[in-house]
Amino acid sequence: GDSVTQMEGPVTLSEEAFLTINCTYTATGYPSLFWYVQYPGEGLQLLLKATKADDKGSNKGFEATYRKETTSFHLEKGSVQVSDSAVYFCALSGQGQGAQKLVFGQGTRLTINP
Amino acid sequence: GAVVSQHPSWVICKSGTSVKIECRSLDFQATTMFWYRQFPKQSLMLMATSNEGSKATYEQGVEKDKFLINHASLTLSTLTVTSAHPEDSSFYICSARAYLGGGTSGSSTYEQYFGPGTRLTVT
Repeated sequence: GDSVTQMEGPVTLSEEAFLTINCTYTATGYPSLFWYVQYPGEGLQLLLKATKADDKGSNKGFEATYRKETTSFHLEKGSVQVSDSAVYFCALSGQGQGAQKLVFGQGTRLTINP
Repeated sequence: GAVVSQHPSWVICKSGTSVKIECRSLDFQATTMFWYRQFPKQSLMLMATSNEGSKATYEQGVEKDKFLINHASLTLSTLTVTSAHPEDSSFYICSARAYLGGGTSGSSTYEQYFGPGTRLTVT
């Protein structure tokens, strides 16, 4: 079945550092790929998404590119802030399923120190 | 933006009792809602898909008689954990699927909005 693997956390960085959180997936066909963020005490929020190969999703300075050849969707940000501290989840939904049946990675806790 | 609430945010119950968790879409209608379970330091696992006016669809390995789902209106789905046991202790998260547009000339666009979760502890 479909699966998502994220780099293990926790990840601790200093403010203004460069961030990469790796995400790889296994799926048949062409899934849609997502990054969700969960701030303390809040529900998951969609951060960005990409629905086809070579698409780049971006939001709030974060970017991720859908790489079919490496089955990856790594999250990057050039300069992190303390407010970016949260848990980040990579996810996919199967081809043709739209926003149905999300399969999540295990989550990566990110802490940014001032 | 679209808001999904859950109630209660945390609950402690005794083994053998039943607990009901509510999931509400506050400013949009959702024909489909999802229930997830999250263990500490682990991923969210989809338990079931809740469709308004029809029976829920459960994922493999989820006991439908233990986790009762009722989607009685377009803004409310409930999850009842029946005869709870300590191994049912977990963080339960719901999401509601919102229709964003499209459908006539192209594919419909949807997005899931998540509730803040309910922490269940069974003693």
